[in-house]
Amino acid sequence: TQLLEQSPQFLSIQEGENLTVYCNSSSVFSSLQWYRQEPGEGPVLLVTVVTGGEVKKLKRLTFQFGDARKDSSLHITAAQPGDTGLYLCAGAWGSNYQLIWGAGTKLIIKP
Amino acid sequence: NAGVTQTPKFQVLKTGQSMTLQCAQDMNHNSMYWYRQDPGMGLRLIYYSASEGTTDKGEVPNGYNVSRLNKREFSLRLESAAPSQTSVYFCASSEFAKRMFFGSGTQLSVL
Repeated sequence: TQLLEQSPQFLSIQEGENLTVYCNSSSVFSSLQWYRQEPGEGPVLLVTVVTGGEVKKLKRLTFQFGDARKDSSLHITAAQPGDTGLYLCAGAWGSNYQLIWGAGTKLIIKP
Repeated sequence: NAGVTQTPKFQVLKTGQSMTLQCAQDMNHNSMYWYRQDPGMGLRLIYYSASEGTTDKGEVPNGYNVSRLNKREFSLRLESAAPSQTSVYFCASSEFAKRMFFGSGTQLSVL
């Protein structure tokens, strides 16, 4: 059974601080996706990383795919209250019709 | 620009009652999915349809049935609801799981 473990499960920090969320597995994925979910809504894709070692930036968010394509991280610089939400990672593998999902990191940014 | 539309938004059932959750997408995607989301457990796949005319079980299919009515529509049926099926349900569509587009969810309570 393939698993994606996200850490931390919950993070509450002050506006302006930096943070990193991790997504780890013992399995190799062909790609890894990061989503953000706000209350009462479905997840929305932020980024997809495909190549081992790849780094992608989305404004203050930096996403990295591990060299072995087994892990990924999301770093937020100078967090804002608008970054509050549930962050989910999902790995693509095998049949290409399914994703393996992490349990999510609930992030709260206090003004 | 509807994307993925699922109904209803909220539902309360008594144990043993049945109901169907409806989902439609207007992006011409081949693949459609039904997930349930429970606190601390991330998204768990109930059933998916890789293409029109096919359906397959996911991680937690027991107690559910699905119908891929056409390329646009994918419904989820609970024949005899149980309290363990209290959850938030999401429909999603994609092309080969490269990017998932989600509906806004159905919050289901089974008493």
